[in-house]
Amino acid sequence: GAGVSQSPSNKVTEKGKDVELRCDPISGHTALYWYRQSLGQGLEFLIYFQGNSAPDKSGLPSDRFSAERTGGSVSTLTIQRTQQEDSAVYLCASSLGGFNSPLHFGNGTRLTVT
Amino acid sequence: KNEVEQSPQNLTAQEGEFITINCSYSVGISALHWLQQHPGGGIVSLFMLSSGKKKHGRLIATINIQEKHSSLHITASHPRDSAVYICAAPNYGGSQGNLIFGKGTKLSVKP
Repeated sequence: GAGVSQSPSNKVTEKGKDVELRCDPISGHTALYWYRQSLGQGLEFLIYFQGNSAPDKSGLPSDRFSAERTGGSVSTLTIQRTQQEDSAVYLCASSLGGFNSPLHFGNGTRLTVT
Repeated sequence: KNEVEQSPQNLTAQEGEFITINCSYSVGISALHWLQQHPGGGIVSLFMLSSGKKKHGRLIATINIQEKHSSLHITASHPRDSAVYICAAPNYGGSQGNLIFGKGTKLSVKP
């Protein structure tokens, strides 16, 4: 079946603009994760959704970052007033939930803030 | 906060060699992840394990809960195994998705 789909695959934006990144998880996956990978920084956790529970937002780096998940499926990560340090690859993953469920990653959105 | 350390940072091997990548973490965990990232960026989950050993093809992952240490082994390595291998552990007190990632081990297997 289809994997995790992210769009756009690449996004170039000017400093100060808002951007929206989209993630379509695998159908039936209740858990959805956002991570980012910056050059030289490795992977870092941003936010985690599990079913109808309140999301774990503890990884969001500032209040310019927000995410929502509508209908338990598609998720949107929004970055307001983008800064150059926001440039990174933003990765979405989904799983069936539970501690033994492997993560399925999308191909990511490469964000460049000029 | 859980600290996750990987070694080595870079590894070059000849085709056919046995490879070991190590991962240590500072706080007890429920499960540890091993991920593979190929050039071009796609990330694949290789293993999740909470105890003992798991095997998939030529890949073997082991974990020692008492020593807070895990290893990823590749037997009969092949150039297509060239990738970055990343371990990840849940952050202490965090949710299941709140993972702390190692910096990765870049493996290059020469023919």
